[in-house]
Amino acid sequence: DQQVKQNSPSLSVQEGRISILNCDYTNSMFDYFLWYKKYPAEGPTFLISISSIKDKNEDGRFTVFLNKSAKHLSLHIVPSQPGDSAVYFCAARSSGSARQLTFGSGTQLTVLP
Amino acid sequence: KAGVTQTPRYLIKTRGQQVTLSCSPISGHRSVSWYQQTPGQGLQFLFEYFSETQRNKGNFPGRFSGRQFSNSRSEMNVSTLELGDSALYLCASSLEGRQGGHEQYFGPGTRLTVT
Repeated sequence: DQQVKQNSPSLSVQEGRISILNCDYTNSMFDYFLWYKKYPAEGPTFLISISSIKDKNEDGRFTVFLNKSAKHLSLHIVPSQPGDSAVYFCAARSSGSARQLTFGSGTQLTVLP
Repeated sequence: KAGVTQTPRYLIKTRGQQVTLSCSPISGHRSVSWYQQTPGQGLQFLFEYFSETQRNKGNFPGRFSGRQFSNSRSEMNVSTLELGDSALYLCASSLEGRQGGHEQYFGPGTRLTVT
């Protein structure tokens, strides 16, 4: 049972345009959401996060939106750059004592020059 | 500040052998989590340690075990290796307490190949 789903395994975007990566979740106990970027042969790098009490968080070119009623979050990258090409993972953390992160299966973003 | 370090980076083992992987968290981080990543899969949670105690465990067989030392360094052990254990094993550390702790910072991983 996949509690965090990234339904698009890949996405291609032209340089300078907006990249939108989507993530859906099923567990209502998730209270914190994170996005990670991963290059081949490296560990995931933390990008941006959002608490369930907010609906938007911005950090430079990256913005995460959370729609709790739809159990959906998205990562917007504007403008997209070739160096953004990587696998992006959505992750969620449950409230309470459990500290584990539940990850989606990832979306390969390719930014075309 | 130095990041999360993992040793070794690459490892080749034979079926039936055992293996120990090591992780040094970011200085000051007390929580260490381990994940397995296989081709086509997301990251699968193995276990989490905090103050030398296993606080949370994922859905993996008992062949997978770990421990944490008083300096927060952690090791994970896989016994009786199977071909399906070939994967990238990632360690992540996080800061606990009021100052944060939700974000986990990952090491580069150990690529384990079982032949």
